[in-house]
Amino acid sequence: GAGVSQSPSNKVTEKGKDVELRCDPISGHTALYWYRQSLGQGLEFLIYFQGNSAPDKSGLPSDRFSAERTGGSVSTLTIQRTQQEDSAVYLCASSGLAGEQFFGPGTRLTVL
Amino acid sequence: AQTVTQSQPEMSVQEAETVTLSCTYDTSESDYYLFWYKQPPSRQMILVIRQEAYKQQNATENRFSVNFQKAAKSFSLKISDSQLGDAAMYFCAYRRGATNKLIFGTGTLLAVQP
Repeated sequence: GAGVSQSPSNKVTEKGKDVELRCDPISGHTALYWYRQSLGQGLEFLIYFQGNSAPDKSGLPSDRFSAERTGGSVSTLTIQRTQQEDSAVYLCASSGLAGEQFFGPGTRLTVL
Repeated sequence: AQTVTQSQPEMSVQEAETVTLSCTYDTSESDYYLFWYKQPPSRQMILVIRQEAYKQQNATENRFSVNFQKAAKSFSLKISDSQLGDAAMYFCAYRRGATNKLIFGTGTLLAVQP
């Protein structure tokens, strides 16, 4: 497809379980971003990958959150031992040389 | 730290009328970009318009235009000839430099009345 895709669209999990959220960026985009959107905190930056540089992890809220980007393309955001406060929409975006960030449809995570 | 403030949680406009959404920001950087994103109920974030800080001319995209007041650190969005499809949450966002994270405001929910 031409846009950023994310899977799953919705995820319901039990407190304490681990979850993996996937992002497929636009082909050729070197930068990839994860954001979280929640009622209480609004839109927050989580992590940013740019080419082969070390990722900017400054927005990750705790060490239960991690992300990787394999082969400079697909990215996976992992949340370990999920808590109810992790419930949110997780948005992925990618950008090319022009810097415009194009967003995926998001994954709605619900932790019961 | 950079911050973005949207002081209007909700706005309403009649179809075909004009509405202006407000945004202020705070930064000490000289190289930055400002954006307006639209998020309809489908939750897909869509870029509406962008403004480079070094450009004095206000950006326009069809019915959407901005009023960029750099000294006042103000970046408002004007929507002309409002359409029902314009109803959405609108986010103002700031980015330092060419490629970097976005810092978002809290959003303005726009309703368009037929």
